[in-house]
Amino acid sequence: GQSLEQPSEVTAVEGAIVQINCTYQTSGFYGLSWYQQHDGGAPTFLSYNALDGLEETGRFSSFLSRSDSYGYLLLQELQMKDSASYFCAVRDTGGFKTIFGAGTRLFVKA
Amino acid sequence: EADIYQTPRYLVIGTGKKITLECSQTMGHDKMYWYQQDPGMELHLIHYSYGVNSTEKGDLSSESTVSRIRTEHFPLTLESARPSHTSQYLCASSGTTGGLDTQYFGPGTRLTVL
Repeated sequence: GQSLEQPSEVTAVEGAIVQINCTYQTSGFYGLSWYQQHDGGAPTFLSYNALDGLEETGRFSSFLSRSDSYGYLLLQELQMKDSASYFCAVRDTGGFKTIFGAGTRLFVKA
Repeated sequence: EADIYQTPRYLVIGTGKKITLECSQTMGHDKMYWYQQDPGMELHLIHYSYGVNSTEKGDLSSESTVSRIRTEHFPLTLESARPSHTSQYLCASSGTTGGLDTQYFGPGTRLTVL
């Protein structure tokens, strides 16, 4: 079957660094994406890794290791507004569907 | 800037009614999707489309149907709404550029069936 595993919940303090892990088992792989969703809102795209290594976009970075079927999202200098759910996602074989993980709820405390 | 619209944003209806949730995008994307999501829960793909006149069922069994007569329009219809259909419905579209396939989501329709 196809599945993505990520922690259900993470709590961190303002200004800290947090890492959200994602392991995947899919029949095909065309890249790992991350989406952010605030309560009541729609998911918005954060980052994408097609190749191994680290991609940096401001305070957010995303890492991929295809040999380990593993990636993570790194959030630095946490702010209260970063409190949200974060979903990892993989494009499946043929690239027509995107499979989403169950989401990690991040709570940022003052 | 992503331009994908959903109407209505909120809908409360009685059991047995037929409803259509509208979704339109102005980005010229070939691929469009419908997801169902309960608060704080994961996204479930219920329908998707590769392009005009192409529709496929997703991973979640659904009593809904979709159509794709125009590239920009992907409506979702529930023939007979039930309380179990109460949820948020998110429409998305995507285009592929340089291998990157980013999904752009609409604001969602929050449906309550009494």
